[in-house]
Amino acid sequence: DARVTQTPRDKVTEMGQEVTMRCQPILGHNTVFWYRQTMKQGLELLAYFRNRAPLDDSGMPKDRFSAEMPDATLATLKIQPSEPRDSAVYFCASGTGFGTDTQYFGPGTRLTVL
Amino acid sequence: AQSVTQLGSHVSVSEGALVLLRCNYSSSVPPYLFWYVQYPNQGLQLLLKYTSAATLVKGINGFEAEFKKSETSFHLTKPSAHMSDAAEYFCAVRTNTGNQFYFGTGTSLTVIP
Repeated sequence: DARVTQTPRDKVTEMGQEVTMRCQPILGHNTVFWYRQTMKQGLELLAYFRNRAPLDDSGMPKDRFSAEMPDATLATLKIQPSEPRDSAVYFCASGTGFGTDTQYFGPGTRLTVL
Repeated sequence: AQSVTQLGSHVSVSEGALVLLRCNYSSSVPPYLFWYVQYPNQGLQLLLKYTSAATLVKGINGFEAEFKKSETSFHLTKPSAHMSDAAEYFCAVRTNTGNQFYFGTGTSLTVIP
């Protein structure tokens, strides 16, 4: 049963520290999405990639967030420096592309910035 | 532009009662429509999707949804609620020309014993 995996599942850090979240998409999927979920804002799209190239990262605060895909099996989301308002659950999702494609979500990384 | 509106951020039903979660969409081109469910502390899981093959779509766990173009709606229903249906439900839309999904704000379903 292929699944999207995310690490770490929980992260507690102090304001100003760098945070790196990792995602392994389902093998063969060529689109990867990063979402942030908070009670206040709901589910927000931060960035997405197709064939490892960033297509849209307009949802991301550029000054502190960065997203990359070093290879087809790894996507990373970094926050530097982290701030308390970054506290949220960050989800990665992957898919196969256009058409009737479905997004498959990982279990999320719960980030708490103190 | 594409968007999704979910009416009612919280819905409560009695166990065994009909579940109806509302979703309306706007799309400039024929859309693909999805319902996802999120259980506490988990990621989103696909319930069902509309891909223009049939207007009535059956999903997992006894849920189904009907695409009504004239009403731009894709409401989710289940004839008889079960305690295990308590979760957050998200409607989403994407077009056949884009990768991006547009999610609604979610509806929290509570099932009362």
